[in-house]
Amino acid sequence: ELKVEQNPLFLSMQEGKNYTIYCNYSTTSDRLYWYRQDPGKNLESLFVLLSNGAVKQEGRLMASLDTKARLSTLHITAAVHDLSATYFCAVDKRLTFGEGTQLTVNP
Amino acid sequence: NAGVTQTPKFQVLKTGQSMTLQCAQDMNHEYMSWYRQDPGMGLRLIHYSVGAGITDQGEVPNGYNVSRSTTEDFPLRLLSAAPSQTSVYFCASSYRHRGPLAGGPFKNTGELFFGEGSRLTVL
Repeated sequence: ELKVEQNPLFLSMQEGKNYTIYCNYSTTSDRLYWYRQDPGKNLESLFVLLSNGAVKQEGRLMASLDTKARLSTLHITAAVHDLSATYFCAVDKRLTFGEGTQLTVNP
Repeated sequence: NAGVTQTPKFQVLKTGQSMTLQCAQDMNHEYMSWYRQDPGMGLRLIHYSVGAGITDQGEVPNGYNVSRSTTEDFPLRLLSAAPSQTSVYFCASSYRHRGPLAGGPFKNTGELFFGEGSRLTVL
């Protein structure tokens, strides 16, 4: 059974700081997805990582995939309040989701 | 472009009642799915479909029924609602189906497009 684990589950950080969210999964997969969810809203696609070593960047967020380690990271650079949301990773096949990381960026 | 449309957005049921959550997409996606979202548990797959006339069970299918008579619509039926089914339900669609049937490469990137969710409370 595929398991997807994210850590941390809760992250409170100061504006301007950097941090990394980790996503580990238990079985082989060659693609991984990151989604963002604002409170009371639906999930929106952030990144699609399609191969080992893939790196995608959008603004202050950068995602990477290491399929050999079964690990993806979502790195936040110089956080701003607008990044406050819950971030989910999801792994291929039937798109199994992690529990989500609730990020709060404080002024 | 409407994308994925879910109705209703909110619903309160009594234990034992039945209801249908509607989901429609206008992107001609072969793949459609239903998830439930509960605090601390992420999203869990209930049922999915890789095309009209084809459905399959996900991780938590008990108590739910689906059908896929058209490419556009994928309704989720609660047969006899229970308090444990209190949750937020999301419908999602994608160009995920391996073409031409099963076994071929994925079309497109496979990312899911989500509806806005349906918040269901069972008393």
